[in-house]
Amino acid sequence: EDQVTQSPEALRLQEGESSSLNCSYTVSGLRGLFWYRQDPGKGPEFLFTLYSAGEEKEKERLKATLTKKESFLHITAPKPEDSATYLCAVQALGSSNTGKLIFGQGTTLQVKP
Amino acid sequence: DTAVSQTPKYLVTQMGNDKSIKCEQNLGHDTMYWYKQDSKKFLKIMFSYNNKELIINETVPNRFSPKSPDKAHLNLHINSLELGDSAVYFCASSQDGDVNSPLHFGNGTRLTVT
Repeated sequence: EDQVTQSPEALRLQEGESSSLNCSYTVSGLRGLFWYRQDPGKGPEFLFTLYSAGEEKEKERLKATLTKKESFLHITAPKPEDSATYLCAVQALGSSNTGKLIFGQGTTLQVKP
Repeated sequence: DTAVSQTPKYLVTQMGNDKSIKCEQNLGHDTMYWYKQDSKKFLKIMFSYNNKELIINETVPNRFSPKSPDKAHLNLHINSLELGDSAVYFCASSQDGDVNSPLHFGNGTRLTVT
């Protein structure tokens, strides 16, 4: 069964304290791995898509990496506005999985000034 | 301009009632979805429509019936509401459901069944 597990569930950082969020996945065949950011009372907002092991993508203070079993979201020198829940999701191969994302439970990040 | 909009934002109702949630997207996308987020924040797909045609129908009770009058709208009707239906329901859209077209989500409808 395709599955996504994120750790830790919650993370508190001081402003400027870099860290990483983990997303472990089990999927029959990976079409793509996605990172989303969700603010309270809002819908998830797309950040990155990674397609194959070894791929990296960056956006401001965020950098996502991918291996064959997991993905990391590295946050460098975070600011309070980076506080949110970060969701990881995978899309499996197969025509029946078109558009179907399997999400992890998220990591809630709090950055204190 | 809101890309994916859902109404209502909050819905409080009693067990046994029937309710609907509406969704509209102005992105010109062909594919629309309903996802359910439970109290532990797990998002799980319920339905997917491509150009008004149902393409994904997960194991969802048949009390839930999606309807797509056109490719910009996807509504969700729920009959005989149960306590376990309480959750946040998100509508989303993408260009074509391909991995290269990420999902754009609405801001959710928080359904509370009492």
